[in-house]
Amino acid sequence: GQSLEQPSEVTAVEGAIVQINCTYQTSGFYGLSWYQQHDGGAPTFLSYNALDGLEETGRFSSFLSRSDSYGYLLLQELQMKDSASYFCAARDSSYKLIFGSGTRLLVRP
Amino acid sequence: NAGVTQTPKFRILKIGQSMTLQCAQDMNHNYMYWYRQDPGMGLKLIYYSVGAGITDKGEVPNGYNVSRSTTEDFPLRLELAAPSQTSVYFCASSTTGLATNEKLFFGSGTQLSVL
Repeated sequence: GQSLEQPSEVTAVEGAIVQINCTYQTSGFYGLSWYQQHDGGAPTFLSYNALDGLEETGRFSSFLSRSDSYGYLLLQELQMKDSASYFCAARDSSYKLIFGSGTRLLVRP
Repeated sequence: NAGVTQTPKFRILKIGQSMTLQCAQDMNHNYMYWYRQDPGMGLKLIYYSVGAGITDKGEVPNGYNVSRSTTEDFPLRLELAAPSQTSVYFCASSTTGLATNEKLFFGSGTQLSVL
């Protein structure tokens, strides 16, 4: 089986840095993806980590540690528009892409 | 390019009715997926396809059927609608390749209510 665990909600202040964690249990693992979804919208791809370490894309970074079955999404210089839900996702041994339950990020002024 | 197009955007069904949710992509992607998302929850995989003529069950396939006769189209069929199928349905596609197929492109979704 496959499961991905994320905190349900995180609150942060505009301009701050926030980290959203994801721990996974899987019988097979290829890498960890992150998606953003605004209320009423469709998910959009943010990043993918196949190897251990940090991947940086502008204000967003994603980290993976295969030995700890753990990853995180780091958002810097938070803006109000970053208020959204964030999902981690991974493929299981049969290559199905499974999503975590999501973390709702609220950015306050 | 239109990307991934889903129709309809909204639909209300009566219990026991049937319908097909349409999904088409114009990016020549081999991989296509159907997810459902209940309010405040994550996405659950219903069915997926790795190419024309090949489909496989996801996490929650019961009550649904799919077909993939062409690369472009991946319709989802609900045969006997039940209130438990009230949800938002997303179709997605991705290309092949070890890293590039991890980037899913999503349609705008279909909001379905079964009353």
